Amino acid sequence: DTGVSQNPRHKITKRGQNVTFRCDPISEHNRLYWYRQTLGQGPEFLTYFQNEAQLEKSRLLSDRFSAERPKGSFSTLEIQRTEQGDSAMYLCASSLDTNGYTFGSGTRLTVV
Amino acid sequence: QKEVEQNSGPLSVPEGAIASLNCTYSDRGSQSFFWYRQYSGKSPELIMSIYSNGDKEDGRFTAQLNKASQYVSLLIRDSQPSDSATYLCAVKPNTGNQFYFGTGTSLTVIP
Repeated sequence: DTGVSQNPRHKITKRGQNVTFRCDPISEHNRLYWYRQTLGQGPEFLTYFQNEAQLEKSRLLSDRFSAERPKGSFSTLEIQRTEQGDSAMYLCASSLDTNGYTFGSGTRLTVV
Repeated sequence: QKEVEQNSGPLSVPEGAIASLNCTYSDRGSQSFFWYRQYSGKSPELIMSIYSNGDKEDGRFTAQLNKASQYVSLLIRDSQPSDSATYLCAVKPNTGNQFYFGTGTSLTVIP
């Protein structure tokens, strides 16, 4: 068990481009979460999967954001037509129950 | 009103002292409470969870919960320079699966 793995670690993209991030949760964890964190703030919830079903989405998740977990294992988060305001650390977390998450190392997105 | 409020600090304590971190939350029905530690440039790491009123101790860390006052705290005894980090309070409300995080309190332990 190597923990929650996220790729890439860093991504620099031009405004208007699409980006996709990948998260591999801890293998036995059926719950997977995406959060976004900006400097000086706590993580903000984006979306939640239980197995392959996306059960919750935040109002923060605009139409430009989409997340999938096709086989209940890894998940992807795609941002279309990136904007400078999308620059943040995108954190993936997984858990077996609701007793606390394990976060991955995050993907730091910079939109220039 | 934010769901979870923390004093952003910075909080500075000398090595060996007790560091006290505080958090208040707005959803009275919340049942699960967590403290995460986040080093600069790193992701949050779970250090404590607490679900019942009272104290819960784990090594040098003690979490305290008072649901009537909607207050959670974290005490770090014998503070070490390696404890210097941002401490995030997280609360899981009674409904839904997301956690609400505070903005974090920056702690510096001075050798």
